[in-house]
Amino acid sequence: EIVLTQSPATLSLSPGERATLSCRASQSVTSYLAWYQQKPGQAPRLLIYDASNRATGIPARFSGSGSGTDFTLTISSLEPEDFAVYYCQQRSNWPRTFGQGTRLEIK
Amino acid sequence: EVHLVESGGGLVQRGGSLRLSCAASGFTFSSYAMSWVRQAPGKGLEWVSAIGGSGDTYYADSVQGRFTISRDNSKNTLYLQMNSLRAEDTAIYYCAKLPGESAYGWYSVWGQGTLVTVSS
Repeated sequence: EIVLTQSPATLSLSPGERATLSCRASQSVTSYLAWYQQKPGQAPRLLIYDASNRATGIPARFSGSGSGTDFTLTISSLEPEDFAVYYCQQRSNWPRTFGQGTRLEIK
Repeated sequence: EVHLVESGGGLVQRGGSLRLSCAASGFTFSSYAMSWVRQAPGKGLEWVSAIGGSGDTYYADSVQGRFTISRDNSKNTLYLQMNSLRAEDTAIYYCAKLPGESAYGWYSVWGQGTLVTVSS
């Protein structure tokens, strides 16, 4: 099973700042990594797929990069609605696995 | 508009069974792979199972042999039969749609989830 480790566990920033979230895989997932956003009481929402492709309707301030074992989700300028929990997920191997999440909170 | 609505959750005793349903609308259900993902209270996401448009199935080790995923394309409905339930199966169960027939894709649309509580 591929283990995904996200860092930091919690990130405290202010609106307008840049956010950088990390996801590291225990073995290569090539580019088969996605990022999801989840707000309290809501289902997750797909943000980025295949490491760097924005899903439909996702604002351009969200971008993804990386390949192999190291991946990054960047939010260029935080909006109030961006404060949430973010998960990475791999589709390289079965079983599919998620990271433990990064909580992005308002400073 | 694509819409997924889960149902069938509730309180069940340890060792019991439950069948979850996910009613789909807004797309040609038979042409898309589907999946179940769960989230224990206050915890992260855990992938449970997936089924391709051709009926191929995949399971997490934690549910293999106890859970069965299936689909009824005539009813546009996805199912998850859960047997031998354990306390650690307590979670919100989400169904999710993949972007194509293959179960190898991403979870592009999610339902709002249904809560399963297993009492000991």
